[in-house]
Amino acid sequence: NAGVTQTPKFRILKIGQSMTLQCTQDMNHNYMYWYRQDPGMGLKLIYYSVGAGITDKGEVPNGYNVSRSTTEDFPLRLELAAPSQTSVYFCASTPRGERGGYTFGSGTRLTVV
Amino acid sequence: GENVEQHPSTLSVQEGDSAVIKCTYSDSASNYFPWYKQELGKGPQLIIDIRSNVGEKKDQRIAVTLNKTAKHFSLHITETQPEDSAVYFCAASFFGNEKLTFGTGTRLTIIP
Repeated sequence: NAGVTQTPKFRILKIGQSMTLQCTQDMNHNYMYWYRQDPGMGLKLIYYSVGAGITDKGEVPNGYNVSRSTTEDFPLRLELAAPSQTSVYFCASTPRGERGGYTFGSGTRLTVV
Repeated sequence: GENVEQHPSTLSVQEGDSAVIKCTYSDSASNYFPWYKQELGKGPQLIIDIRSNVGEKKDQRIAVTLNKTAKHFSLHITETQPEDSAVYFCAASFFGNEKLTFGTGTRLTIIP
């Protein structure tokens, strides 16, 4: 049981490049989330999903896209990277009906130069 | 939407002493309040949570208290140890809404 797995752990992008942050969970959790963590700013919700085929915007969705074709995977897509997207990205999951018992991945540190 | 404020942003405590971190929330409908611990280079991990029908909850050296009237809740760590050094986040949500709103975090340093 690996929990929530995020890849890559580190990435440097040039402005305007695109990339996909991968997130996979093996706990059969229905709910999945993407947060970004900026210094002194806590965790901000980018997108979330309550099940396969269902996604919704969080607090800071601009510049990102997501898809949820399976229960296990919830990739985050950056189409045109900007310096403002330099951050640490965390994926999390929780079973339906469990309040707040998020399991987080270990994060992806992204730098846009 | 919900807004969660957390204080202090940094806290240094002598080993063996107690540490207290406080959070306030804005949405009176919020009824679930978890606390997460984030160690360096890792994702946050749930350490304790409380629901609005309970005023206090303890788990060994950590406890959380909730004051619904004042809309604030606190994390208490007693007999602090070096391994308690980490960043702590509070959060709030409303039953039926699966989105947590996080505070800005407190960096706790335990001084040996």
